[in-house]
Amino acid sequence: QVQLQESGPGLVKPSETLSLTCVVSGDSMKNYYWHWIRQPPGQRLEWIGYIYSSGSINYNPSLRSRVTISLATSKNQFSLNLTSVTAADTAVYSCARAPWGPVAPFDYWGQGALVTVSS
Amino acid sequence: EIVLTQSPGTLSLSPGERAILSCRASQSVSGRYLAWYQQKPGQAPKLLVYGASNRAAGIPDRFSGSGSGTDFTLTISRLEPEDFAVYYCQQYGSSPRTFGQGTKVEIK
Repeated sequence: QVQLQESGPGLVKPSETLSLTCVVSGDSMKNYYWHWIRQPPGQRLEWIGYIYSSGSINYNPSLRSRVTISLATSKNQFSLNLTSVTAADTAVYSCARAPWGPVAPFDYWGQGALVTVSS
Repeated sequence: EIVLTQSPGTLSLSPGERAILSCRASQSVSGRYLAWYQQKPGQAPKLLVYGASNRAAGIPDRFSGSGSGTDFTLTISRLEPEDFAVYYCQQYGSSPRTFGQGTKVEIK
């Protein structure tokens, strides 16, 4: 059974960098697309971006200037960095997997990690 | 970007009843690349339907998806107690991928 688990600080100060890791268990990371999604309180889900197992990436234009997604296949994990955060970045951050190509739904998700931006 | 609008916001029904959830897109969803997810409190979303009408592995046949272009529907033919949850639609044919705001199916 494939499982994804997010981890990282639950509290980040304004202007600092939000860093999260998603650990994948139950399958290899090869040939899949690995995504980050977030949901601010009371708002809809927002797609952040993805990284393919080869290293190619695609980010949401609304966040592109501040986002970096990286891969560590030897550790079966991938990470999210979001710089210069503000209160508007407070959200539940989730990782997910998309199979069979860049145009695919998410077949597995993590449970999500709440990150609060506050001084 | 494609904006998805789900209706109704909340659906109050009894077990055994039929649920019809709507997802309308601001522009045509290419390739019918529209998915539906179910989310229960404290749990990760679960993929129900992809490609507008294909059930994901292990999903009961009481869940069915339909539609094309800008109008899509998820139908739950007979609600079971475990079906009361929040449902999201998502388009994944155009970047950025976008989601609807969700429909909550609650027990009447």
